[in-house]
Amino acid sequence: DAGVIQSPRHEVTEMGQEVTLRCKPISGHDYLFWYRQTMMRGLELLIYFNNNVPIDDSGMPEDRFSAKMPNASFSTLKIQPSEPRDSAVYFCASSFPGLAGAPRFFGPGTRLTVL
Amino acid sequence: EDQVTQSPEALRLQEGESSSLNCSYTVSGLRGLFWYRQDPGKGPEFLFTLYSAGEEKEKERLKATLTKKESFLHITAPKPEDSATYLCAVENRDDKIIFGKGTRLHILP
Repeated sequence: DAGVIQSPRHEVTEMGQEVTLRCKPISGHDYLFWYRQTMMRGLELLIYFNNNVPIDDSGMPEDRFSAKMPNASFSTLKIQPSEPRDSAVYFCASSFPGLAGAPRFFGPGTRLTVL
Repeated sequence: EDQVTQSPEALRLQEGESSSLNCSYTVSGLRGLFWYRQDPGKGPEFLFTLYSAGEEKEKERLKATLTKKESFLHITAPKPEDSATYLCAVENRDDKIIFGKGTRLHILP
């Protein structure tokens, strides 16, 4: 298996633009997580899905952020409009069926820079 | 408020010099404590889960232990390839995962 796949790996955009990050979890995993990592705040959970259903989105910063999981093999995290304070590394992660708790497999991340 | 504090923030060791990393936690109803390794430019790599005080897990030169207030990641005779950031996380009774900010470990050859 190729592991968790994220695209793009790097994104540079200007303030006010829409940004879409993409994730393909490991086949057969039914938990999918979106995390954000910064030096100041460390790793923060934004949202997680179980069987394509959002379970906890309390970490989503504000209405500018939205996440979808239309099927078991694809998820998106959208920021509209983007702001400089959104600059961070965004990770997608997935876990085995029935295994809640901390995610087991992380993707390589998307480094987002908002100018 | 639940929180996780890791110390030290950074640690430099000579190859072969054993040491320990600390993860102190305050959490409402610990359901699990997790250790990860993160290399620069990569996502965290899962290492261990510990569920109850007294539990220990080992993997190569790493051993994780757990008490009611903290966890230690012991590194025995480290090698340069053990250089990474080590992250600790806890899960509380509400299924919330809280990560520490990590310890940057650098092993000098």
